[in-house]
Amino acid sequence: AQKVTQAQTEISVVEKEDVTLDCVYETRDTTYYLFWYKQPPSGELVFLIRRNSFDEQNEISGRYSWNFQKSTSSFNFTITASQVVDSAVYFCALSAFNNAGNMLTFGGGTRLMVKP
Amino acid sequence: ETGVTQTPRHLVMGMTNKKSLKCEQHLGHNAMYWYKQSAKKPLELMFVYSLEERVENNSVPSRFSPECPNSSHLFLHLHTLQPEDSALYLCASSQDDVGRETQYFGPGTRLLVL
Repeated sequence: AQKVTQAQTEISVVEKEDVTLDCVYETRDTTYYLFWYKQPPSGELVFLIRRNSFDEQNEISGRYSWNFQKSTSSFNFTITASQVVDSAVYFCALSAFNNAGNMLTFGGGTRLMVKP
Repeated sequence: ETGVTQTPRHLVMGMTNKKSLKCEQHLGHNAMYWYKQSAKKPLELMFVYSLEERVENNSVPSRFSPECPNSSHLFLHLHTLQPEDSALYLCASSQDDVGRETQYFGPGTRLLVL
């Protein structure tokens, strides 16, 4: 069985602070994909990143960066110099490589509030 | 046209009504999905369609009836719903229905059942 845990249900920061959202996963598959999605108040889940289990290189995209640590089964997401527009619920998700039906296992989400 | 669109964005219905949710994807994908997102609950996968064939039905009550007439359109027909069915219903699509593919989501339909 697969499981994704986002232990932080809510985080509140002041604008320009850095913030890290934690994601820990469990799977017996050796080949799998990890995802992060952003859900602003409008409701749409916006795809942010996909990472496969064989690529442990950290990734940076503007103010966003991701730290994939296979040894600790974690895929953490850092926002540098946070902005009010970053306020949203962020979901980490996991899918096995050949998972028929493409069943994504989502974490419970972390609500990020960035205050001006 | 944005990737995945859903209509209506908001819907209020009584328990005896029949309504339909519509999803359209403009990404050329072969797989489409319905999810339910209730307050304080994880996202729940309801149905998966691949090349217009249903490949997954996640123990969803029969009062929810999906329809996929072609690879670009997906409907969710609703009848005799219960108040606990009030939720955000999200549609998604991906190139194929295997785990390595990224799912792209629509804006959702906020449903309130009175």
